[in-house]
Amino acid sequence: GENVEQHPSTLSVQEGDSAVIKCTYSDSASNYFPWYKQELGKRPQLIIDIRSNVGEKKDQRIAVTLNKTAKHFSLHITETQPEDSAVYFCAAVGSQGNLIFGKGTKLSVKP
Amino acid sequence: EAQVTQNPRYLITVTGKKLTVTCSQNMNHEYMSWYRQDPGLGLRQIYYSMNVEVTDKGDVPEGYKVSRKEKRNFPLILESPSPNQTSLYFCASSLSGQNEQFFGPGTRLTVL
Repeated sequence: GENVEQHPSTLSVQEGDSAVIKCTYSDSASNYFPWYKQELGKRPQLIIDIRSNVGEKKDQRIAVTLNKTAKHFSLHITETQPEDSAVYFCAAVGSQGNLIFGKGTKLSVKP
Repeated sequence: EAQVTQNPRYLITVTGKKLTVTCSQNMNHEYMSWYRQDPGLGLRQIYYSMNVEVTDKGDVPEGYKVSRKEKRNFPLILESPSPNQTSLYFCASSLSGQNEQFFGPGTRLTVL
């Protein structure tokens, strides 16, 4: 089945710097790659997603890139702010149509 | 209001005492899923359901059962809970596995 690896597990940046989180997946048939943000004590929420027919997608300070050949995708956050501090999860759809999550990245943005 | 609800939100129980965590959604979603969240292990899928009467095992189904008799409900059943099932559980629903998943508020379970 699908396997999603996510790195790094923790990331600390200064406010205003950029943050990059990378994920790889194993199933070459996967075609949907969402990113979720989970603030402390809250439920995960979708922040951006990308489908396999697109190489990059942006939404204000957040962007996701996809390299289907290499089977990896990345989340880029520019001009980080303290409210970006959270755990971020990448995910990919497995061959059975179910969503498989990475282990998460704890991002800390220091003021 | 469109939402996913879970009950109970918190539960402390003892080994071997059967329990059910309910999950309900009012968005007419076909896809529903259960995850457990443990420190350092992320969100691991327990079971998922593509539609009514269709359920499949996720990555960590041992010790759990589910049913999908109606589209809106997807209960998680622990027939004989053990301490290693102490965790934070999330239910989620979406139109399909390839659409935004809406998570419930979570159920924190402690098995003594």
